[in-house]
Amino acid sequence: KQEVTQIPAALSVPEGENLVLNCSFTDSAIYNLQWFRQDPGKGLTSLLLIQSSQREQTSGRLNASLDKSSGRSTLYIAASQPGDSATYLCAPQGAAGNKLTFGGGTRVLVKP
Amino acid sequence: DGGITQSPKYLFRKEGQNVTLSCEQNLNHDAMYWYRQDPGQGLRLIYYSQIVNDFQKGDIAEGYSVSREKKESFPLTVTSAQKNPTAFYLCASSNQGIPDTQYFGPGTRLTVL
Repeated sequence: KQEVTQIPAALSVPEGENLVLNCSFTDSAIYNLQWFRQDPGKGLTSLLLIQSSQREQTSGRLNASLDKSSGRSTLYIAASQPGDSATYLCAPQGAAGNKLTFGGGTRVLVKP
Repeated sequence: DGGITQSPKYLFRKEGQNVTLSCEQNLNHDAMYWYRQDPGQGLRLIYYSQIVNDFQKGDIAEGYSVSREKKESFPLTVTSAQKNPTAFYLCASSNQGIPDTQYFGPGTRLTVL
C-alpha cells in the first residue's frame, strides 16, 4: 500500500525567500506525481504533474523534481510571495485505477 | 464555464440520519472520485467510479454509499453507520484511459450535531 510523507508539516518564511517542500513515497510503481495547492476551506488546485518518465516540471516560479527510484519529489517555489501562503499536497498516482494517494500536506506561511 | 460543483457548501446532520452530498461535473470526464479530509490531514479516497453504472470502494468506504446513474453526477450518501462523519468532503473528476490530473470541486463541510 502506498504511503506518502511530506516534510516539513509547516513552514514560515519571510517574503522573497525560496521554498523547498519535500515529498516521499514508498511504492515507486507510479504513473505520475501531482502537486496541489489548497487554500483554507477550499478545494484543491493542480499545480504541476510530473510523468514517471520525467525528472522535473516547471511552471513559472514553481519547479518540481521527481526521483522515482528513491521515492522522492521536491517542490521549489522561487521568490515566495504572501499569496503563496496555502497548504501544498503531493499525490503519486498509482498504476492501477488512476488512484491518487495524498500526503498530509505542508502548510506554508509567507510573511510580508 | 466548465467545472465541478458540490452542494451544499455546509451541511449539518443529526446522529442517526442519512445525508446525501451532491457532485456534478460538466467536463465530460468519465472518472469521478470522493475524498474525505480531516483537519490537518491529507485526503483519503472513499469511492471512485471509472464509468457510468460502475464504482469501486476506496480506502475508507465503510458507512458510505454512492451511485453513478449519469456521467455528470456522482452523489455520496453518508449513512448512520459512519461512526465519525464530521469532515470536509471533496469530489473530483478526471479523464479515463490515460493518467490525467484530477479536477476538484470546492468541497462540502459536514458537521454532526
